[in-house]
Amino acid sequence: QSVLTQPPSVSGAPGQRVTISCTGNSSNIGAGFHVLWYQQVPGTAPKLLIYAYNNRPSGVPDRFSGSKSGTSASLAITGLQAEDEADYYCQSFDSGSSVLFGGGTKVTVL
Amino acid sequence: QVQLQESGPGLVKPSETLSLTCTVSGGSINSGSYYWNWIRQPAGKGLEWIGRIYSSGDTKYNPSLKSRVTISGDTSKNKFSLKLNSVTAADTAVYYCARESPYFWGGYWDNYYLDVWGKGTTVTVSS
Repeated sequence: QSVLTQPPSVSGAPGQRVTISCTGNSSNIGAGFHVLWYQQVPGTAPKLLIYAYNNRPSGVPDRFSGSKSGTSASLAITGLQAEDEADYYCQSFDSGSSVLFGGGTKVTVL
Repeated sequence: QVQLQESGPGLVKPSETLSLTCTVSGGSINSGSYYWNWIRQPAGKGLEWIGRIYSSGDTKYNPSLKSRVTISGDTSKNKFSLKLNSVTAADTAVYYCARESPYFWGGYWDNYYLDVWGKGTTVTVSS
């Protein structure tokens, strides 16, 4: 059972917008610890997608965006493309500096 | 460009100790403000953080695994290692090593992200 809760799956047609939620509590996201997002294509290692809520490393398309409100964060993918089909994980920290992961969300492009 | 490579036995017997090494190339494990992490992923499941070692040698472990985990560094070989003892089938997973780097935000360099990952190595616990 992950401390950060994500929906198991979301889906959308090409070109649509999908969002993935990441719900924590007052000891992690709500305490102000940053939320990061990773994309994992099956069979490969995770790749950093978003950091500091809504910042993208170079090379990450701007159709990926993040946000935070209270004890939750969200990842949005606009203009969904076939290549976006992957698993997505949120990550944050707790007051003991432990790394926390969400359970992961599988994005399916219909 | 920093690269990480995991290595170690792919099969470990129950109750024995799982030992893995992460070799770092293109950078030094004892320079800069980096953390060096171990993360695992059982087949079809999510990511689980195991622990990290700082460039100074300080360590931090997942409380749920703390009693069985040791992470150490070998600066002479630019490697860091994971030992997980008393393994069971539940420890079967892909094990990743990853670098945790600081980034600048809000006037400080005290936020971190996992920016470099190894490709992962599969470890099966079975007799």
